[in-house]
Formats: sequence, C-alpha cells, structure tokens
Amino acid sequence: SQTIHQWPATLVQPVGSPLSLECTVEGTSNPNLYWYRQAAGRGLQLLFYSVGIGQISSEVPQNLSASRPQDRQFILSSKKLLLSDSGFYLCAWSVQGLAGLNEQFFGPGTRLTVL
Amino acid sequence: AQKITQTQPGMFVQEKEAVTLDCTYDTSDPSYGLFWYKQPSSGEMIFLIYQGSYDQQNATEGRYSLNFQKARKSANLVISASQLGDSAMYFCAMRERTGGFKTIFGAGTRLFVKA
Repeated sequence: SQTIHQWPATLVQPVGSPLSLECTVEGTSNPNLYWYRQAAGRGLQLLFYSVGIGQISSEVPQNLSASRPQDRQFILSSKKLLLSDSGFYLCAWSVQGLAGLNEQFFGPGTRLTVL
Repeated sequence: AQKITQTQPGMFVQEKEAVTLDCTYDTSDPSYGLFWYKQPSSGEMIFLIYQGSYDQQNATEGRYSLNFQKARKSANLVISASQLGDSAMYFCAMRERTGGFKTIFGAGTRLFVKA
C-alpha cells in the first residue's frame, strides 16, 4: 500500500531563517506531487505541484520554492522565512493520468510557526 | 466568484443520526471531479469520497454518500449513523479538467457529534 511521509511534524523558526520541509511517498511510482498551505481555520491553498523529477509548477508567487530531486521526494524550501509563512503545510500525491481528476492523498502535515 | 461554497461553518448532530453537509460549486467545464475530505484535529486530510461529473449514480463509500445534483451544482455529503469519531472539519473540493492539477477547496464545515 502507498504511504506518504512528511517531516518535521512541527517547526518553530525565526524570521529570516531558511526552511526545508521534506515529503516522501512509498508504494507508488511516478506520482503527481503537491504542496499545500493551510492558514489557521481556513481551506487549502495549492503552492506547487510536480508531474515528474525536476518538473515544478508554481501556483502562487511567494518566497517559497519547491524541488523534486527524486521520483518520490518533494521538498519545500525558503531562503528567508516571513511571518506570513506560518501555517500548516501538507504534501499530497495522486496517480498520474486518469485525466487529472483523481483524488489526492495527503501526508500528516508540518505545522510551521515563524516568530 | 467562489468556485466551491460551503455555507455551514459549523454543524451539530446527535450520535447515530444522519447529517448532511452542503457544498455548491461553480464551473463551466463539463468535465470535473468533486471530492470530500475529512480533517480531524490531528491535521491530516483524509479522502472520503469522489464523484465524477459524468457519473450517473451518486457515489457511496460505507457510511458516506454524495448527493450529486448536477443541475443545481451541488454535491452534498451525507454521513449516516454519525459516530463520535466523525467530529472533524470537512472540506468539499473540485478539480476541473481545464484547471490542470489545481484542486479548489471550500472553506470547510466543522462537524460536532454529540453523545
């Protein structure tokens, strides 16, 4: 069966510090991968998605970036965190194909607090 | 305009009773998918049920069913025989074929199940 891992689970970082959140998927090959952010009490906002190694699409301009160095690894980064980067970050995967209308499966999330 | 609207910020239901969570959507794309996710206090997003725009029958998954009324553009989630563990946030979401990989989420409904 497929599983998706995220770490760390929680993170407290000072403003201006760098960020690296990691997501890995097991039990599937060539998945679509996604990064979402959820502000407190709000819905999800898609930040990045990837259909393959090295292929990253950005949905929202910001000081965050994403990379996919391996098929089942997705990394969210920032060189300098802002207070507004605080939130709950969720990684998700979906099966390639199926006309893109298939469901996504989410990881456990990382709660980031920028102070 | 809002693509996904969930008009109930909070709902209460008695244990063992059924509850309907409302969701309306807006799209001009004839090909789309509708999803419901559950988010317990732990934060993870759990996929519940999927309805395709061309599906003739309403989707069902165990105690979850989706009341799909295409002409009204509504996709309400029905939870039968509510359990205490059903207390969570519930998100309605949509993906349009022309939208690529972007999943649009509603603001969510918080469900409280009373013993």
